[in-house]
Amino acid sequence: QQQVKQSPQSLIVQKGGISIINCAYENTAFDYFPWYQQFPGKGPALLIAIRPDVSEKKEGRFTISFNKSAKQFSLHIMDSQPGDSATYFCAASMKSSGSRLTFGEGTQLTVNP
Amino acid sequence: EAGVAQSPRYKIIEKRQSVAFWCNPISGHATLYWYQQILGQGPKLLIQFQNNGVVDDSQLPKDRFSAERLKGVDSTLKIQPAKLEDSAVYLCASSLSTGFYEQYFGPGTRLTVT
Repeated sequence: QQQVKQSPQSLIVQKGGISIINCAYENTAFDYFPWYQQFPGKGPALLIAIRPDVSEKKEGRFTISFNKSAKQFSLHIMDSQPGDSATYFCAASMKSSGSRLTFGEGTQLTVNP
Repeated sequence: EAGVAQSPRYKIIEKRQSVAFWCNPISGHATLYWYQQILGQGPKLLIQFQNNGVVDDSQLPKDRFSAERLKGVDSTLKIQPAKLEDSAVYLCASSLSTGFYEQYFGPGTRLTVT
């Protein structure tokens, strides 16, 4: 029940295209859903996050779509750039468990110029 | 504002040797986390501290891993003795408190056990 499943494992898009990464969770007690971006040799960096009372959140080119009934959420990267090439992790957290993060397995995104 | 600091950045040891990693969280952050990230996988929580107390160590292999945060600021994670399967990146993260969701990660320590 603590798992977060992420797909696809890898994704290649052309510059200017839309990148979409999907995640699904099982535990309905999760109440915070962040996305992290990780470059090689660096730690994960918080990109954008959403609470379950909101269906969509947009920050610049990054949008989270959240479907509470389906227990799914996704990251959309509009106008993808080569600099967006990184590994993206979805995660889930709940205050009742000390806000620790349960991560998905990651998606390696490559944006071709 | 300085970020989460970790050292060393890289470490290579032989199996059965011991190793220690150090983490200094963002100033004022009460909660500190250690995660293990095996190549190609997402980070997995090892232990969580609130000030100098342990909140959750249920996923810590206590027969070989230990961690402390004696003064409620910096923390040390130790492995003794190391196994081949301990090869991973060890990430430290901090947050204001357990009631705050946003976690900030350090660069990690890449451990290779040969």
